[in-house]
Amino acid sequence: GQNIDQPTEMTATEGAIVQINCTYQTSGFNGLFWYQQHAGEAPTFLSYNVLDGLEEKGRFSSFLSRSKGYSYLLLKELQMKDSASYLCAVTDSNYQLIWGAGTKLIIKP
Amino acid sequence: GAVVSQHPSWVICKSGTSVKIECRSLDFQATTMFWYRQFPKQSLMLMATSNEGSKATYEQGVEKDKFLINHASLTLSTLTVTSAHPEDSSFYICSASGLSYDYNEQFFGPGTRLTVL
Repeated sequence: GQNIDQPTEMTATEGAIVQINCTYQTSGFNGLFWYQQHAGEAPTFLSYNVLDGLEEKGRFSSFLSRSKGYSYLLLKELQMKDSASYLCAVTDSNYQLIWGAGTKLIIKP
Repeated sequence: GAVVSQHPSWVICKSGTSVKIECRSLDFQATTMFWYRQFPKQSLMLMATSNEGSKATYEQGVEKDKFLINHASLTLSTLTVTSAHPEDSSFYICSASGLSYDYNEQFFGPGTRLTVL
């Protein structure tokens, strides 16, 4: 079956760095997305990786290793507004998006 | 980026009534639209995928006769929850993807919160 694993919850301190991991086992691979979702709101796009390596976008970076079925989202200089759920999603060989359960990130002052 | 709207943003209805939710792509042609449901503190659950002009493909466990999806044009899809019951209360989110965008990114609407009394 298809499976995406990410931690349920993480806690970090304002101004610090946090890494949210995602491992996947899917039938084929056509890209990996990270979305941010604040409580009561729809997800918003953060990043997309289809080749191995690191994609940097401001305070957020996303890394992919296809051979390991692994990705991480790195958030630097954490701000209170970064408190949200972070969803990892993989597009399989049929271009169907498989969603992880999300990681709730709690930022403390 | 592409903009997707949903209407209404919230709705309260009595048990047994039907509720229609609209999803529109405002500035691009959405060849594919997706309907998700999200219960509190849970992840997104894909309900169905619809392509313009064809019947929707429903995920396992989703009743197609209860959740009617129509994707009549490249900018509009509707989800009708028929004979709604309290257990249908949830956050319904649509997303859309279009050929003119790279890597089949899905653009999400703001969601519709449905409460069935």
